[in-house]
Formats: sequence, structure tokens, C-alpha cells
Amino acid sequence: QKEVEQDPGPLSVPEGAIVSLNCTYSNSAFQYFMWYRQYSRKGPELLMYTYSSGNKEDGRFTAQVDKSSKYISLFIRDSQPSDSATYLCAMSLGNTGNQFYFGTGTSLTVIP
Amino acid sequence: SQTIHQWPATLVQPVGSPLSLECTVEGTSNPNLYWYRQAAGRGLQLLFYSVGIGQISSEVPQNLSASRPQDRQFILSSKKLLLSDSGFYLCAWSKILINEQFFGPGTRLTVL
Repeated sequence: QKEVEQDPGPLSVPEGAIVSLNCTYSNSAFQYFMWYRQYSRKGPELLMYTYSSGNKEDGRFTAQVDKSSKYISLFIRDSQPSDSATYLCAMSLGNTGNQFYFGTGTSLTVIP
Repeated sequence: SQTIHQWPATLVQPVGSPLSLECTVEGTSNPNLYWYRQAAGRGLQLLFYSVGIGQISSEVPQNLSASRPQDRQFILSSKKLLLSDSGFYLCAWSKILINEQFFGPGTRLTVL
């Protein structure tokens, strides 16, 4: 079983839709959770970073962590064509080695 | 602010040729440094990480090697490239005890 599971999609939505992206994980010791956005042929860009359970909001983006279910989500409100990218979830244990565990990414296309 | 550089951006090399990819980080000291390879549909594969000068941990047995000659410099090398070494190589950094990871722009390597 992979440490982190993420549906690869592809996901296609109309402009203005609410997008929900999800990851599940198996290691209950993960403490830090991240979402990255990666445009084609570019490096991943850190979008959201959360510690432990709860919600975090930044503009049109909301990250949710449910540690009891080992489930994290990224919501994008009022989606725009510029949101078209691959979204990767990531998590870490928080030890000094700082190893990070990534999902395979979900490809999102927002249609104008 | 911190920035991370990688070069070259793209590289086409024949099988059996050597490889040297360079990564440098600016604006921080004592970063953890990472090399990943990203293949389509397979997510990010951690190749090497380093917590200090001369300290390299290898995650996957392969014909690649890494070195950290200076605090903010990380080099990925190979003596003889294989076809299977083709991919998108990403360098990343994080700070000890701060669980956020930041990526460089990547190097796209094609081995022919």
C-alpha cells in the first residue's frame, strides 16, 4: 500500500465551479500537510500548508485535514482557467530528516 | 527571500554519457536539500537528500550519485546515463524543523 493515495484524474470543470481535490494516507504519524500546484513543465509551487487537523483558508483556496479519517482535501472556489494544473498533496512526519511523502497528483482543467 | 536555481533547464544526452545537474539555494543557510525525479503518472520519486555538507542519503539504488560540496549547493551526477534516466529532475529545499518544502524549476533530461 502506498503511503499517500491521490486520484490522478483528469478532472475537468467549467469556470466558476467549486473544485474538490483529495488525498488519503496510511501513516497516522503524519503531522504536516501540504498542497502544491504544478504547471506543465514547471516545478511544483507550494500552495497551502497546514499542521495537524483543521481548516486553513487562503483566498479562493481552502485546505482541510481530517486526521481521524486520514483524509485531506483542497477546495478551490470560483475556479479560473489559470487554475488548470496538476495538484500534488504532500505530508511529512516532522522529524529532523524532513522527508516528504507525495501523492501522484491530480490533473485539473478549468474550461472557460 | 529565498530562491532556488537549477541548471540546465533542458538537457539531451546520449546513452553512456556523464551527467551533472546543479542546484543552488539563495537566501537561507543550512537547508535540507533534495533531489527528486518525476515521471509522468508516477509522482515524485525521492532520489537523495542531504542535511548538511558531505551528508548524503540515498533512497533508491541506481547509477546516480549526489554531492553537496557547499552548504547551499547540491549536485546530481552520473558516470554513464541509461535510457531509464530520462525524466524531470527537481531539486528542493526545506529548513530543519520547518516542514515546508520548496522546489526549483526543474531540469528535463532526455537520454537518447
